[in-house]
Amino acid sequence: DTGVSQDPRHKITKRGQNVTFRCDPISEHNRLYWYRQTLGQGPEFLTYFQNEAQLEKSRLLSDRFSAERPKGSFSTLEIQRTEQGDSAMYLCASSLAGLAAKETQYFGPGTRLLVL
Amino acid sequence: LAKTTQPISMDSYEGQEVNITCSHNNIATNDYITWYQQFPSQGPRFIIQGYKTKVTNEVASLFIPADRKSSTLSLPRVSLSDTAVYYCLVGPISSGSARQLTFGSGTQLTVLP
Repeated sequence: DTGVSQDPRHKITKRGQNVTFRCDPISEHNRLYWYRQTLGQGPEFLTYFQNEAQLEKSRLLSDRFSAERPKGSFSTLEIQRTEQGDSAMYLCASSLAGLAAKETQYFGPGTRLLVL
Repeated sequence: LAKTTQPISMDSYEGQEVNITCSHNNIATNDYITWYQQFPSQGPRFIIQGYKTKVTNEVASLFIPADRKSSTLSLPRVSLSDTAVYYCLVGPISSGSARQLTFGSGTQLTVLP
C-alpha cells in the first residue's frame, strides 16, 4: 500500500500524559499537513510542512502541540500534558506541490485519541 | 477562503442517482472546487475536482454552472457503500503556496436498501 499511513490508529491516555503520533506520507510528496477532527465536524487545519520546514501553524495549535518532519519524510505530532479537550481524530495528509501542478491532498486513516 | 453551504443530510435508495449541491457565492477567480468523501473512522478521500463546466471520473461527475456560485456532485447508481459524509471545499490550488483545506460540516448521505 503506497498511501498515507498513520500510527497508532488508536490511543487512550490519561490527562496530563504526553502522546506522540507518526505520519508516513506518500513517498514522493513534499508537503505534509496535520488536521484535527472532532465528532460531527469537518477536519480543521493544524500545521503544514514543505519538506522539513514547518511553514504554517494554526492558532488552534497551542504551545502543548509540537510537530516535526526532520528529514522531509515522516512527521510526528506530539501533545504534551494532554487535556480531555484534546480528544479527537488527528489526520495527516500529504501532497505533491510543484509550480505547474494542481495540488491534491491525500489523507491517512487518522489516529483517534481519547484522553481520560 | 470562500464559505460553502451544503445540506446537512440526504437519503437515497440503492441504484438511484444522487446529486449533492454546494453553494459558494464568494468563490474567487483562482478557486477550484474539490469534493471529498469520508467514512466513519477514516480520513477523507479525494473524489473529484473542477474549475468550470463538467468534470467526470470513474466515480462521480461534477457540474459547475457558468457563474461558479454553486456546484453539484453527482453520484450515479449509489450503493449502500456510498453512505458517507461528503465535503465540498473551495480554494486556490496553485502550488506556489500551501493550501490549508477548510472543511465545513459536510453532507451525510445515507443510502437505503
